[in-house]
Amino acid sequence: GAGVSQSPSNKVTEKGKDVELRCDPISGHTALYWYRQSLGQGLEFLIYFQGNSAPDKSGLPSDRFSAERTGGSVSTLTIQRTQQEDSAVYLCASSPAGRGKRWTQYFGPGTRLLVL
Amino acid sequence: GESVGLHLPTLSVQEGDNSIINCAYSNSASDYFIWYKQESGKGPQFIIDIRSNMDKRQGQRVTVLLNKTVKHLSLQIAATQPGDSAVYFCAENMSNDMRFGAGTRLTVKP
Repeated sequence: GAGVSQSPSNKVTEKGKDVELRCDPISGHTALYWYRQSLGQGLEFLIYFQGNSAPDKSGLPSDRFSAERTGGSVSTLTIQRTQQEDSAVYLCASSPAGRGKRWTQYFGPGTRLLVL
Repeated sequence: GESVGLHLPTLSVQEGDNSIINCAYSNSASDYFIWYKQESGKGPQFIIDIRSNMDKRQGQRVTVLLNKTVKHLSLQIAATQPGDSAVYFCAENMSNDMRFGAGTRLTVKP
């Protein structure tokens, strides 16, 4: 079946502009995660959605970052007033179950964001 | 705080040889581990997982070994191929959190 998809695959923007990144999880997966991966670095957790529960936003680096998940499926990560340090690959992952259970996260291809 | 780490940031092997990628973890409460492969320009791809009640698990050309005594996880790739060139990183599940290591870059020489 279809995997996790993300769009756009690449985004170049100017400092100060807002950007929206989209994630379509695997159908039926209740858990959705956003991560940031800087060049040569590991995955930095940003936010976690599980069903209709309030999201875990503990990883968001600043109030310029926000995310929502509509209808328990598609998610959008928004970065306002982008800064050059926001340049990174933004990865989305989904999982059939939430935290506390043994699960595997399935990742999308990522959105490569470059802030000039 | 406790974290997942890797012994070697880079590994270069000859095509056809076996590869071993290592990962150290420090949280004895972790009960589930995953190895991911990330090729250039792509998202991480699940390779194999193992639960803490096991010490070995085999997949297709890959084997994961878990040594809970020394808190060590390894990924063995048999007969390494050029297509195996990628960054490999481990992840551990601790209570309500999944932590990822920074990764080891595997380069396969023809």
